[in-house]
Amino acid sequence: GDSVTQMEGPVTLSEEAFLTINCTYTATGYPSLFWYVQYPGEGLQLLLKATKADDKGSNKGFEATYRKETTSFHLEKGSVQVSDSAVYFCALSQGGKLIFGQGTELSVKP
Amino acid sequence: GAGVSQSPSNKVTEKGKDVELRCDPISGHTALYWYRQSLGQGLEFLIYFQGNSAPDKSGLPSDRFSAERTGGSVSTLTIQRTQQEDSAVYLCASSLVASDGYNQPQHFGDGTRLSIL
Repeated sequence: GDSVTQMEGPVTLSEEAFLTINCTYTATGYPSLFWYVQYPGEGLQLLLKATKADDKGSNKGFEATYRKETTSFHLEKGSVQVSDSAVYFCALSQGGKLIFGQGTELSVKP
Repeated sequence: GAGVSQSPSNKVTEKGKDVELRCDPISGHTALYWYRQSLGQGLEFLIYFQGNSAPDKSGLPSDRFSAERTGGSVSTLTIQRTQQEDSAVYLCASSLVASDGYNQPQHFGDGTRLSIL
């Protein structure tokens, strides 16, 4: 069946460091891909999305590119801030429902 | 409010009791979803309603779980004879469905934290 695999956390970075969180997927067809973020004590929020191959989603300085050839959707940010500390979930949409990765906790230290 | 609303925010109950969790989707969203977030299993899909179509129940873990959506709006997730492994945060989401049939991004509520003693 369809699945999403994320790099394991927690990831700890210093402020202004470069961030990459790896995400790969297995799916039939061409699903839409998403990154959701869950800040401490808050609900899940959509961070960015891409609906077809080579699409780049971006928001709040984060970017991810839909790579069909490597079945990947890695999340990147050039300079993280303490306020980016959260749990990040990669997900794919198939038949309407979302299939999530296990989540990657990011902690950014000042 | 403008977002997805879930109630109660917290529920503590004894093993064996039945519980009902409520979700109010964003007005105008025809698609509604339930998910469960637990430490051991991560985020799991439970059930999906879209308009008048039969719901996709493929994620319900047992026949103790059921859900309904009345009038195409409010949804209730019911867990009968609760077990300790049902302890989790239950999340509801809703979305629009585009004219091409593809679902728009899902918007999540804050969840109901269910604890079974």
